[in-house]
Amino acid sequence: EVVLTQSPDFQSVTPKEKLTITCRASQSVGSSLHWYQQKPDQSPKLLIKYASQSISGVPSRFSGSGSGTDFTLTINSLEAEDAATYYCHQSSRLPRTFGQGTKVEIK
Amino acid sequence: ELRLLESGGGLVQPGGSLRLSCAASGFSFGSYAMNWVRQAPGKGLEWVSTMSGATGSTFYADSVKGRFTISRDNSKNTVFLQMNSLRPDDTAIYYCAKDLVIAAPTAFDHWGQGTLVTVSS
Repeated sequence: EVVLTQSPDFQSVTPKEKLTITCRASQSVGSSLHWYQQKPDQSPKLLIKYASQSISGVPSRFSGSGSGTDFTLTINSLEAEDAATYYCHQSSRLPRTFGQGTKVEIK
Repeated sequence: ELRLLESGGGLVQPGGSLRLSCAASGFSFGSYAMNWVRQAPGKGLEWVSTMSGATGSTFYADSVKGRFTISRDNSKNTVFLQMNSLRPDDTAIYYCAKDLVIAAPTAFDHWGQGTLVTVSS
């Protein structure tokens, strides 16, 4: 099983700050790594597909990079509405797995 | 508009059974793999099962293999999850999720609102 480890587990940030979340895979997943945002009491929402491809309707301040085993999600100029938990997810190998999540609090 | 609507959750005793349904609309249902993903209270996301659109192949997490069965009725645009021998650690919100692209494991681009399953005596 591919284990995805995110860091940090929690981050408290101020508005307009830049945030980077990392996701490390226990083995190569190529570019089959995706990012989701889950706000409290809501379903997850796809933010970035295939490591760096944008999703229609997602603000441009969200971007992704990486390949193989190391990936990053960057949120530029954070807004209050970005308070959420963020998950990475790999679809390269079964079982499909998720990172443990990174909770982002806006001060 | 694409929609996924789960139903069938509830309270069940350990060892009991439950059948979840997910009604889909707004896309060519039969072409896409459909998935179940769960989230225990206060915890992260866990993939549970996938059923492909074209071949009907099924895949399961080890934690549910032999107890859960995924199926679909393409004529009714509905995917099901039959859950047997339920355990307290199966307690979770169960989400139905659609694959982003046809014919390859991929991201989940649309999710339902989830249905809560509670396994407790």
